Amino acid sequence: KQEVTQIPAALSVPEGENLVLNCSFTDSAIYNLQWFRQDPGKGLTSLLLIQSSQREQTSGRLNASLDKSSGRSTLYIAASQPGDSATYLCAADTGNQFYFGTGTSLTVIP
Amino acid sequence: EAGVAQSPRYKIIEKRQSVAFWCNPISGHATLYWYQQILGQGPKLLIQFQNNGVVDDSQLPKDRFSAERLKGVDSTLKIQPAKLEDSAVYLCASSKGAVSEQYFGPGTRLTVT
Repeated sequence: KQEVTQIPAALSVPEGENLVLNCSFTDSAIYNLQWFRQDPGKGLTSLLLIQSSQREQTSGRLNASLDKSSGRSTLYIAASQPGDSATYLCAADTGNQFYFGTGTSLTVIP
Repeated sequence: EAGVAQSPRYKIIEKRQSVAFWCNPISGHATLYWYQQILGQGPKLLIQFQNNGVVDDSQLPKDRFSAERLKGVDSTLKIQPAKLEDSAVYLCASSKGAVSEQYFGPGTRLTVT
């Protein structure tokens, strides 16, 4: 069974810092890996989806990378802003099911 | 383009009562998912539909949970009878296909007292 782990569970950074969130998965046989943002009391917002054949995807200040062989993905956030404060979740799609990590709670301090 | 719609947004019931949640996916999305998210955890897949057929319901507690997507569009998830441990946010998501990007609704927060 696929297991997805996110470290750290919580992170606080001052505004303007660049930061990296980590996601690891135990089974490299995935179709894609998706990063989401979840604000308190809200649903999930898709940020980036990386297909298994891709190495990275970029959207604005966000860059997600995927290394299937090592079972790792990272989400890089450049020049963090207070509005980036949220929980970030990664999910590995095995084709049969989506497996979510428990998330990293990010606080960007003004 | 309208997003995934869910209702109600909040529900409080007593244990042993029944409850139903509704989801309307993005138009044209063939795949619909129901997830349970307990506080502090990532979402856990309960059931996945492809059109009106069930693809995966291996983690659905079938003794009390049921779901249907009769016309291959909107879907309902029912819990009967509810237990205290069912308190969670129930998220609905849809995608164009089984391995496509998923789009989530706002969720229904269920509190069982």
